[in-house]
This record gives sequence, C-alpha cells and structure tokens, in this order.
Amino acid sequence: GQSLEQPSEVTAVEGAIVQINCTYQTSGFYGLSWYQQHDGGAPTFLSYNALDGLEETGRFSSFLSRSDSYGYLLLQELQMKDSASYFCAVKGDSNYQLIWGAGTKLIIKP
Amino acid sequence: ETGVTQSPTHLIKTRGQQVTLRCSSQSGHNTVSWYQQALGQGPQFIFQYYREEENGRGNFPPRFSGLQFPNYSSELNVNALELDDSALYLCASSRPGDEQYFGPGTRLTVT
Repeated sequence: GQSLEQPSEVTAVEGAIVQINCTYQTSGFYGLSWYQQHDGGAPTFLSYNALDGLEETGRFSSFLSRSDSYGYLLLQELQMKDSASYFCAVKGDSNYQLIWGAGTKLIIKP
Repeated sequence: ETGVTQSPTHLIKTRGQQVTLRCSSQSGHNTVSWYQQALGQGPQFIFQYYREEENGRGNFPPRFSGLQFPNYSSELNVNALELDDSALYLCASSRPGDEQYFGPGTRLTVT
C-alpha cells in the first residue's frame, strides 16, 4: 500500500525552531508537498520539493531526500499563529493525485 | 483574483439521502480536485476533473460522483448517504500539475 508517516504531535516554544519529519512509501513519486491547516480551516500550500535538497521560503524551509523517501518541514522563529496541523502529501503514481499523511499537530507554548 | 469557494458551509443529512456540494474554482484554474477529510485525519482524494472530464479517481465507491461545468466550477454528489460519510469535504483548484488551492470546505454530518 501507499503510506506517509509523520509524528502526530510536536510541542515547541515561541521563538524556537521545530522540524516535522515525513517518511513515505508510494509506488511512484513526483514530489513532496507541505500544507498548513488551522482548526476549522482549509489546507494552505507551504512548499513543494520535486528534487533533493532544501527549499527556503521565509521562516519555512522544506527538505527532500528521494533515496531515503524522507522529507522534513523546518519552521524557524516560531510564532503563536504557527499553531496548526501540518500535512505532508506526495504526488505518487500520477501528477494530480495527492496522497496525504495524517498530519502533525504543532503546539506552541509562550 | 477570486479564491476557491464552496457551498454550503455546513449540511446535515439523514442516512440514505443524497447530497450535492458545490465548488467554484479560482480564476484561471481549469482543474478541480475533491477530497474527504475525516476528523483528525489527512484528506483522502476522491476524484479530479479537468476540462469537464474525470481525470482520476481515488478509492471511493460509485455513489460518489461529480461534474465539472464549462466555467470550471464543480459539483460533488453523494448518493445513499452512510454515517461514515460524515466529514469535511474539500475542493481544490489548480492548473494541471501545479499546486492546489483549497476552498474552506463543506462540513457534512449524516445522522
């Protein structure tokens, strides 16, 4: 089967750095995406990695290692508004269908 | 640029009934994908429409069907509702192969 594994919950302190890991097992791979979803809200796109390496967008960075079927999302200078669920999602067999992890709930403490 | 909109925001139906959910895609996007998100889980892909044709389907039974219209808006229809169909239904629009932009979702409760 196809699956994505990510921690269910991560806790960090405001101003700190946190890393959310994602490992995937899919029959095909086009790329790894990260989405943020606040309670009751819609997922919002954060980043997409198709090739190995680090992509940086402001306070957020995303990393991919295709040989390890592994990626992570790095959030720096954490703010209270970053409290949300973070999902990794893979474009697997097709370039249109996203396969999603179960999400990581990020709890930020002052 | 108008974002993705969905209607209704909330809906309560009885088991066995039928429901239609609607989605208007973002301006310039011709592809619409539908997802089901159960509480505490990640979204599950239902199907995608591109230029009014179904472009791919996830592991959902035929009682889940859809349409896309010439203006690229879309409908999701679910027949013979079951209790397990209670979920947040998300619509996402995109250009083919590009990142997907999600609407606020429709919360469906089946009693």
